[in-house]
Amino acid sequence: AQSVAQPEDQVNVAEGNPLTVKCTYSVSGNPYLFWYVQYPNRGLQFLLKYITGDNLVKGSYGFEAEFNKSQTSFHLKKPSALVSDSALYFCALYSSASKIIFGSGTRLSIRP
Amino acid sequence: SQTIHQWPATLVQPVGSPLSLECTVEGTSNPNLYWYRQAAGRGLQLLFYSVGIGQISSEVPQNLSASRPQDRQFILSSKKLLLSDSGFYLCAWSVGTGGPHGPQHFGDGTRLSIL
Repeated sequence: AQSVAQPEDQVNVAEGNPLTVKCTYSVSGNPYLFWYVQYPNRGLQFLLKYITGDNLVKGSYGFEAEFNKSQTSFHLKKPSALVSDSALYFCALYSSASKIIFGSGTRLSIRP
Repeated sequence: SQTIHQWPATLVQPVGSPLSLECTVEGTSNPNLYWYRQAAGRGLQLLFYSVGIGQISSEVPQNLSASRPQDRQFILSSKKLLLSDSGFYLCAWSVGTGGPHGPQHFGDGTRLSIL
């Protein structure tokens, strides 16, 4: 069965430090992976996707994600965190028939 | 460019009352359309999705229904709301022919409170 997991409910980082939000997946066949961000009382915003090709994918707002096939992971990263990066982050996996499976979300808190 | 509109932004309804939430997409044709519910600011539950006019797939049995009367219009309804229907409802669209390459794009949601 296909699934996606975000093992951390919350990640706390000091402003200016690098951040990582973890995601692992399980799928038979090629994985198609996405990261989204959600600010309070808003819909999800698409950040980046991995379809094929380079294992390091660059996205919006300075975020990037590293695809690792052997570890079945797709971690979201940013070299230097901003307070404005504080939000809820979702990893997602393409399922079938144009459906996407979302992880449970990780709340990222950046302290000044 | 493509835009998605959802309304109302917030709604307070009594138990047993009907519901109609509307979502429209502009700037694209034959999109895939989705309704999600998000509880307590966490994970998303897919409720319905549609790949074309009049084509609705239901993911979970529940008190809700969906319709797609026009290509870019998606409506979520209920005849009688339950307390458990409270939540944050999100509409989304993706390119109809995008397959796995197409991300979903979300509206700003409707926060529904049932009293």
